[in-house]
Amino acid sequence: AQRVTQPEKLLSVFKGAPVELKCNYSYSGSPELFWYVQYSRQRLQLLLRHISRESIKGFTADLNKGETSFHLKKPFAQEEDSAMYYCALSGSSGNTGKLIFGQGTTLQVKP
Amino acid sequence: GAGVSQTPSNKVTEKGKYVELRCDPISGHTALYWYRQSLGQGPEFLIYFQGTGAADDSGLPNDRFFAVRPEGSVSTLKIQRTERGDSAVYLCASSLTRTSGRNNEQFFGPGTRLTVL
Repeated sequence: AQRVTQPEKLLSVFKGAPVELKCNYSYSGSPELFWYVQYSRQRLQLLLRHISRESIKGFTADLNKGETSFHLKKPFAQEEDSAMYYCALSGSSGNTGKLIFGQGTTLQVKP
Repeated sequence: GAGVSQTPSNKVTEKGKYVELRCDPISGHTALYWYRQSLGQGPEFLIYFQGTGAADDSGLPNDRFFAVRPEGSVSTLKIQRTERGDSAVYLCASSLTRTSGRNNEQFFGPGTRLTVL
């Protein structure tokens, strides 16, 4: 079964602390992995994807196929990073591009 | 440029009524998706259109749900005989293509919050 698991509903850190939002997935083929973010009163938007291997707003995520994980990391959290973060996957076989989302993790960065 | 728009932003209806939710995708985007997000959950896939045809409707929960995209642009999600469990935020997203690569980024609308009393 295709599934994305985000074990933490809430992650609370102080400004300047490192952040790691966990994401594990199950998929039988080679999925494409994404992180989406939703800031307060804004719409869901793409933060980064594994194929780009980019750092966006200081965030990075590495796909670990052995551990089926795609954790999101940032070395020094900022208050403006406070938001809801969703990990998602898109399948490779019969690919329609549909996204399977995790339950989301609320990141709260305290001053 | 204009992003994905959805109307209405909020819809309150009574159990048993019929509702229509509209999505205007980004101009030129051939792929259109509907998702449903219940409180405290991530979005769940409902249906995918490539052009005018529903290429994957495997996420529709039952036959009370139906969606159309007659001219390959605007899409309408239709829910018959609404139930309280249908209450959720309905999200629409569009992308240039569906295949892997930069052009498959899905751009989301603001959502329609449906409340069934």
